[in-house]
Amino acid sequence: EAAVTQSPRSKVAVTGGKVTLSCHQTNNHDYMYWYRQDTGHGLRLIHYSYVADSTEKGDIPDGYKASRPSQENFSLILELASLSQTAVYFCASSASGTGWAEQFFGPGTRLTVL
Amino acid sequence: DAKTTQPDSMESTEGETVHLPCSHATISGNEYIYWYRQVPLQGPEYVTHGLQQNTTNSMAFLAIASDRKSSTLILTHVSLRDAAVYHCILRVNQGGSAKLIFGEGTKLTVSS
Repeated sequence: EAAVTQSPRSKVAVTGGKVTLSCHQTNNHDYMYWYRQDTGHGLRLIHYSYVADSTEKGDIPDGYKASRPSQENFSLILELASLSQTAVYFCASSASGTGWAEQFFGPGTRLTVL
Repeated sequence: DAKTTQPDSMESTEGETVHLPCSHATISGNEYIYWYRQVPLQGPEYVTHGLQQNTTNSMAFLAIASDRKSSTLILTHVSLRDAAVYHCILRVNQGGSAKLIFGEGTKLTVSS
């Protein structure tokens, strides 16, 4: 069974603080993704990675950094958290970035910035 | 920008067959059509995908129009567990990789 886990599951941060969201997958997948979802809306791609030590910008990368220290782990970093970054963040993995490869999603992290 | 259009919500009753429509009028020839579903407090779950031909699996039947500008996800004998937001998504090839373009989805309500 594919498994993507995220930590923490929820977090409250202060404006201007640093936040790190972590993702771990045991699927042996090369591709990993970070999305954000705002209430009542679809997911939007922030960053993705197809190999360790390399990350790529998605559609909304501003204000976010990503880190892929190993195939299994992918982090999303908010250096200076802002109110507008309050959202639910999902991590996903897939075997391939091309072809039809299914993306497996984690349970999400609910981030509230005050 | 979302490339798909779906109704905001649909209602059904247990045991019925539900047709969830999706319009993707600007789809390109090599873009796959994906369907995911999402329940509250969980990440999206893969349902099915297709390119040109209709497809079926244990979860749903996907009917794709011959011009590929629309598709319909068909759920048979729905149960309360099928209540979710159903996302119709295009997989866009970009820069040697691919990404999923999510819209807002259709919230399916199932009553007993």
